[in-house]
Amino acid sequence: SQTIHQWPATLVQPVGSPLSLECTVEGTSNPNLYWYRQAAGRGLQLLFYSVGIGQISSEVPQNLSASRPQDRQFILSSKKLLLSDSGFYLCAWGGSTEAFFGQGTRLTVV
Amino acid sequence: QKEVEQDPGPLSVPEGAIVSLNCTYSNSAFQYFMWYRQYSRKGPELLMYTYSSGNKEDGRFTAQVDKSSKYISLFIRDSQPSDSVTYLCAMSVGNYQLIWGAGTKLIIKP
Repeated sequence: SQTIHQWPATLVQPVGSPLSLECTVEGTSNPNLYWYRQAAGRGLQLLFYSVGIGQISSEVPQNLSASRPQDRQFILSSKKLLLSDSGFYLCAWGGSTEAFFGQGTRLTVV
Repeated sequence: QKEVEQDPGPLSVPEGAIVSLNCTYSNSAFQYFMWYRQYSRKGPELLMYTYSSGNKEDGRFTAQVDKSSKYISLFIRDSQPSDSVTYLCAMSVGNYQLIWGAGTKLIIKP
């Protein structure tokens, strides 16, 4: 069966510091991979999606970037975090009609 | 106007009652409709998936889609305190992107 791993679960980072969140998927090959952000009391905002190695599409221009160095690995990064980057970040895999999520990373920028 | 509208609640009902959760949408091209539940500080879990119009039942849960009214519902029968989580609707035209409601927080009172 397919599983998705995302870490860390919580992270507190100072403003201006870099960020690297990693996500890996097991049990499937060539999955579509997604990074979402969820603000409190709001729906999920799609940040990036990838249909293959090195193929990244950005939905929202911002202080973040994504990379897919391997088929089942998806990384969310920032060179310099802003206070507004705080939130709950979720990695997911799936197709066009369903999504399966990791446990999420709660990022607090201080 | 948001593409998907969902009342954030909280919705509070007594144990054993029938719960009705709803979303409305504006894009008539949506064909795939999903309900997720999300526990606090966790990623959403797929609960129900429906293609096009009609009903789908799984145990105590029934998903209903009315495309003519652009309205989807999730019914929970014999509600239990363990059902007290946030429920999110999501829908897709069949491309890479899911469009999400804001989520409804449900509280089942013992």
